[in-house]
Amino acid sequence: QKEVEQNSGPLSVPEGAIASLNCTYSDRGSQSFFWYRQYSGKSPELIMSIYSNGDKEDGRFTAQLNKASQYVSLLIRDSQPSDSATYLCAALTGGGNKLTFGTGTQLKVEL
Amino acid sequence: EAQVTQNPRYLITVTGKKLTVTCSQNMNHEYMSWYRQDPGLGLRQIYYSMNVEVTDKGDVPEGYKVSRKEKRNFPLILESPSPNQTSLYFCASSSDGDRGLRYTFGSGTRLTVV
Repeated sequence: QKEVEQNSGPLSVPEGAIASLNCTYSDRGSQSFFWYRQYSGKSPELIMSIYSNGDKEDGRFTAQLNKASQYVSLLIRDSQPSDSATYLCAALTGGGNKLTFGTGTQLKVEL
Repeated sequence: EAQVTQNPRYLITVTGKKLTVTCSQNMNHEYMSWYRQDPGLGLRQIYYSMNVEVTDKGDVPEGYKVSRKEKRNFPLILESPSPNQTSLYFCASSSDGDRGLRYTFGSGTRLTVV
């Protein structure tokens, strides 16, 4: 079982819709979770972090964490074509010294 | 400007010819890490360092070496590159925050071994 799992997509949503990206993790000891965005040919960029159960909002982005279900999600409201990218979920594992990534979900926002 | 600088951006080399990819950060970060990214496999950690002279293996360390003699530099060494090490490599750094690692990534090095 992979430590962090994501559906590879592509996930296609129309402009203005809500995009929902999901991630599960296997290490129950993980306490910190991150969402990175990666445009094609570019390096990953941190967009959200979440540490406690519940929701965390930042502009159009909302991260959700459910530690009991070992589930992390990212909602993007009012999706724009510029949101088209691969979204990487990451969890801090190995006692807090190791950041493990999922394989990423490709998001396409269509006009 | 706060940044992680990798060099070179692109490299084509032959099997068995030793090479070094350099990584430098100007943010006084304690943590540094090397990842490789391959289609369908995502980002996989090669090695990481928690501070000067402290390094540990990630998930795919075979065929790689690292050193951390100075806080700002974390070079990746391929002693005898093989074609299966053809990949996109990223260096990243983070402060040792109480909320865990928030990595800033370099621009990447695309390595081709023929």
